[in-house]
Amino acid sequence: LAKTTQPISMDSYEGQEVNITCSHNNIATNDYITWYQQFPSQGPRFIIQGYKTKVTNEVASLFIPADRKSSTLSLPRVSLSDTAVYYCLVGDGKMTGGFKTIFGAGTRLFVKA
Amino acid sequence: DAGITQSPRHKVTETGTPVTLRCHQTENHRYMYWYRQDPGHGLRLIHYSYGVKDTDKGEVSDGYSVSRSKTEDFLLTLESATSSQTSVYFCAIRVRSGRDTGELFFGEGSRLTVL
Repeated sequence: LAKTTQPISMDSYEGQEVNITCSHNNIATNDYITWYQQFPSQGPRFIIQGYKTKVTNEVASLFIPADRKSSTLSLPRVSLSDTAVYYCLVGDGKMTGGFKTIFGAGTRLFVKA
Repeated sequence: DAGITQSPRHKVTETGTPVTLRCHQTENHRYMYWYRQDPGHGLRLIHYSYGVKDTDKGEVSDGYSVSRSKTEDFLLTLESATSSQTSVYFCAIRVRSGRDTGELFFGEGSRLTVL
């Protein structure tokens, strides 16, 4: 399993763009990069997934450089409701049993008014 | 809504008693997971299943056992609950989509307090 490293916490203000970077130096060829968001007292929910270059959906963008050793989740124009914990996960499950999904500590994003 | 429910949602029990948490899905997804989350911490994988009767350990499996006798149910059992197992337990299912690895959908969580 590729280990991921991301900042413990970040602060931002409403309306700003927030970029959270995740390092995954040991990413394997078959690994995808997936980001989840978790609000207090709720389970995480999927935000975005990518393999290379850039992926964009209605919520966020995911930037992956050519070497894939890191990735950046970009949240455009954050609001107070984006205050949450964001998790970066790497893997594809091609191992015994498959899809052993490990969450790290995540990044606590606090958006201020 | 991925059709995943957990029960019970809240439980208070005493040290040494057995506890079983149930995760039920309605869509026949192959992969199911149990995580625990303690205040101020991320999720830690307890056990997961990749099919009926196919389960494997996660990061923190000591003191927990699981069973999956049918696709729709994944049970987590604490044979003899301890105070250190007081936590919020989340079940998740993996929903595959296209060529990627799919995504996890989580239940609403089961809050367990061991006195």
